[in-house]
Amino acid sequence: QKEVEQNSGPLSVPEGAIASLNCTYSDRGSQSFFWYRQYSGKSPELIMFIYSNGDKEDGRFTAQLNKASQYVSLLIRDSQPSDSATYLCAVNTNAGKSTFGDGTTLTVKP
Amino acid sequence: NAGVTQTPKFQVLKTGQSMTLQCAQDMNHNSMYWYRQDPGMGLRLIYYSASEGTTDKGEVPNGYNVSRLNKREFSLRLESAAPSQTSVYFCASSESGGSRIVLGAFFGQGTRLTVV
Repeated sequence: QKEVEQNSGPLSVPEGAIASLNCTYSDRGSQSFFWYRQYSGKSPELIMFIYSNGDKEDGRFTAQLNKASQYVSLLIRDSQPSDSATYLCAVNTNAGKSTFGDGTTLTVKP
Repeated sequence: NAGVTQTPKFQVLKTGQSMTLQCAQDMNHNSMYWYRQDPGMGLRLIYYSASEGTTDKGEVPNGYNVSRLNKREFSLRLESAAPSQTSVYFCASSESGGSRIVLGAFFGQGTRLTVV
C-alpha cells in the first residue's frame, strides 16, 4: 500500500462546477497535510494546508481533514479553466518529511 | 526575494558522468529537500536536511549524495549518472512551525536532467 494515495484521475468538470479531489494516507502519526497545484512543466505551488480535523476554507478552495478515517480532500468551488492542473496531496509526519501522492490531473472545460 | 533558486535548469549528461545540482533559498528556512519527479508520478524524496549540518536519506537515495553547505544552500551530486536518473529534480525548502509541525514547502523551478 502506498503511503499517500489519490484519485487516479484524470478528473474533468465543467466550468462553474465543484471539483472534488481525494487523498488517503497510511501513517496515523501524520500531523500536517498539504495540497499543491502543479501546472504542466512548472514546479508545485502550495495552495492549502490543514492540521486539524474539519474544514478549512480559503476563497474557492476548501480542505477537509478526517484523521480517524485518514482522509483529506480538496474542494474547488466555481471551477475555472485556470484551475486545470495536477493537484498533489502531501502528508508530513512529525519527523518533518513530506510524502507525496502521484497527483490527480484536473481539467475544467469551458 | 527570489525564493528557491536551482541551477542549472536543463542538463544532458552521458552515462557515467558526474554533476552537482545547486540550490539556494533566501527565506531563512531550516529545512531543505531534494525531490525527483518522473512522468505521471508524484514527487519522491531523495534526501532532506532538517537543519544546517544534518542530512537524511529519503525514499530514493541510491546514486545520489548531498551537502548542506550552510543554511541557504543544499546541493545534490550524481557521482556516476545512469539513464534511470533521467528526471526532473526539484529543490524545496520549508520552515517548521510550533510543535515541530512542518509548514508547506516552497519549490525551485526544477532541473530537467537527461542521461544518455
